[in-house]
Amino acid sequence: DAKTTQPNSMESNEEEPVHLPCNHSTISGTDYIHWYRQLPSQGPEYVIHGLTSNVNNRMASLAIAEDRKSSTLILHRATLRDAAVYYCILRDLNTDKLIFGTGTRLQVFP
Amino acid sequence: GAVVSQHPSWVICKSGTSVKIECRSLDFQATTMFWYRQFPKQSLMLMATSNEGSKATYEQGVEKDKFLINHASLTLSTLTVTSAHPEDSSFYICSAETGGEAGNTIYFGEGSWLTVV
Repeated sequence: DAKTTQPNSMESNEEEPVHLPCNHSTISGTDYIHWYRQLPSQGPEYVIHGLTSNVNNRMASLAIAEDRKSSTLILHRATLRDAAVYYCILRDLNTDKLIFGTGTRLQVFP
Repeated sequence: GAVVSQHPSWVICKSGTSVKIECRSLDFQATTMFWYRQFPKQSLMLMATSNEGSKATYEQGVEKDKFLINHASLTLSTLTVTSAHPEDSSFYICSAETGGEAGNTIYFGEGSWLTVV
């Protein structure tokens, strides 16, 4: 399974944009990039996913590098409710599995 | 979005007994469901892939006779922890996908806390 590398933690102030980076240098051509977040004692929540092109939805934006070896999850205006552990995951077309790494713990300050 | 529900949310059982956790896809059919385990302050660890109508596929190191998985219908998968011990105490999470391709979204249940005393 292809691996991802994320910073252990990041901090942001409320209402500021947050850019969460993810490196996936061993990504294959069929791997989708998925982002999930998890609040304490809850199951992960889907945020966004993409393959090659940048993606936008109501929660966030996903910027994918041209060589696909890295991506950035963008929260346009952080709120206190965005404080969570964010997981960047590559999903293999062949196995369908989501293998979680250690993720980035995002703290948001008022 | 799609909803995946787990039951119970938490359970306490005595050492040596078995406990069953249910995972339901409420508004879609899921041919594949996944079971994870998460210890405090750690990431999710994939335990097994549950396939409707066939045997589950277990990850390396996960005992299939201890963690029995049944996926009898397109909306229900169950995980039974047999002969539970305190070290099995953990947060168990299931997920289900709305289709069979890597680009499809996977939705997670709320999780089930198991405490073995």
